[in-house]
Amino acid sequence: DIQMTQSPSSLSASVGDRVTITCRASQTIGTSLNWYQQESGKAPKLLIYAASSLQSGVPSRFSGSGSGTDFSLTINSLQPEDFATYYCQQSYSDWKTFGQGTKVEIK
Amino acid sequence: QVQLVQSGGEVKKPGASVKVSCKASGYSFSSYGISWVRQAPGQGLEWMGWISAHYGDTHYAQKLQGRVSMTRDKSTSTAYMELGSLRSDDTAVYYCARESEILGVVMLHYWGQGTLVTVSS
Repeated sequence: DIQMTQSPSSLSASVGDRVTITCRASQTIGTSLNWYQQESGKAPKLLIYAASSLQSGVPSRFSGSGSGTDFSLTINSLQPEDFATYYCQQSYSDWKTFGQGTKVEIK
Repeated sequence: QVQLVQSGGEVKKPGASVKVSCKASGYSFSSYGISWVRQAPGQGLEWMGWISAHYGDTHYAQKLQGRVSMTRDKSTSTAYMELGSLRSDDTAVYYCARESEILGVVMLHYWGQGTLVTVSS
């Protein structure tokens, strides 16, 4: 299976900060990388697909980049509703795998 | 609008089986695959497997091979996930998610509300 490694596992930030989360694949996956946001007690929500395409309705302060094995999710000007856990997921393989998640907490 | 409505929570004893349903509406059921994802308490997301709603083909996560079975009923637009030989570490919220493919990339576009399965003696 393709292993996905996110960092950091958690971070503390303030409203208005710029935050970057990274995700590394154990082998090259092109741009078959998606990002999800999960608020506490809720189902995950698709944020970014194909590494850098913003899902409809997602605020433009979210952006994704990368290809091959290294990817990142950036949140510009963090808002109160952005405090949540973020997961990357590869869909290059039929056996899709998630990163372990990054919890974004209020400083 | 696309909706995935899952069955209610279950409490099972170790060694038993559980079957969770996921009823789809608002789209052509046979046109999209369904993945199942679970989340143990306080833990991350774990992809369990996938079923083609059209053909019924499946892919299962290696660690669940032999214990998990995914099926679908096209007549009722419902997908099912059955997990057997339950253990306490199978206690989790189980989600179904409908896939979409854009730019040649598959993503989990729509999610069910989740079903809590508790395994306890």
